[in-house]
Amino acid sequence: QKEVEQNSGPLSVPEGAIASLNCTYSDRGSQSFFWYRQYSGKSPELIMFIYSNGDKEDGRFTAQLNKASQYVSLLIRDSQPSDSATYLCAPHRGSGGSNYKLTFGKGTLLTVNP
Amino acid sequence: AAGVIQSPRHLIKEKRETATLKCYPIPRHDTVYWYQQGPGQDPQFLISFYEKMQSDKGSIPDRFSAQQFSDYHSELNMSSLELGDSALYFCASSLGLAGSSYEQYFGPGTRLTVT
Repeated sequence: QKEVEQNSGPLSVPEGAIASLNCTYSDRGSQSFFWYRQYSGKSPELIMFIYSNGDKEDGRFTAQLNKASQYVSLLIRDSQPSDSATYLCAPHRGSGGSNYKLTFGKGTLLTVNP
Repeated sequence: AAGVIQSPRHLIKEKRETATLKCYPIPRHDTVYWYQQGPGQDPQFLISFYEKMQSDKGSIPDRFSAQQFSDYHSELNMSSLELGDSALYFCASSLGLAGSSYEQYFGPGTRLTVT
């Protein structure tokens, strides 16, 4: 089983719709979960992080975490063409004083059609 | 707000040459990470430093070495370059304190092309 698996893309949604991006992870020691957006040829941009079970909302973005199911998702409401990018899920162990790598999923390519 | 700075942004080298990539973290960030991203691939972790000490190591070739200096900037040294080293190299930084969420912020990357 891969450490991080994301729903295979590409995902195409019409402008204004809700885009749903899913991620499962195998490391039960993961404490924090990050969602990055990456435009082609650019660096990953942190858009959300969550560390408690439940939902976390930030503007049009909602992250949902279920540690028992080892599942984290990202919902993008009112999708815009500018949201078209690859979305990377990255669990993180987190430890005081010593920091750990991010292990990324393969990413989901999202295309929002005008 | 200040971001992670990487230099150079683009680098072209020939096989068997050496390259040095530099990373300046966000002010007050004490942890630096290096990632390599090949074409069509997700970023792969290479190595990280916390308070100038190596804190974690990933799939970094023996031909590569890195260090973090007293001002927290980091350098990735790559020797005997191979064609397969052509990739985007990202540096990220975070604040590594207990209780932190450890968010990593990425620099713009260095595009290395080996010919």
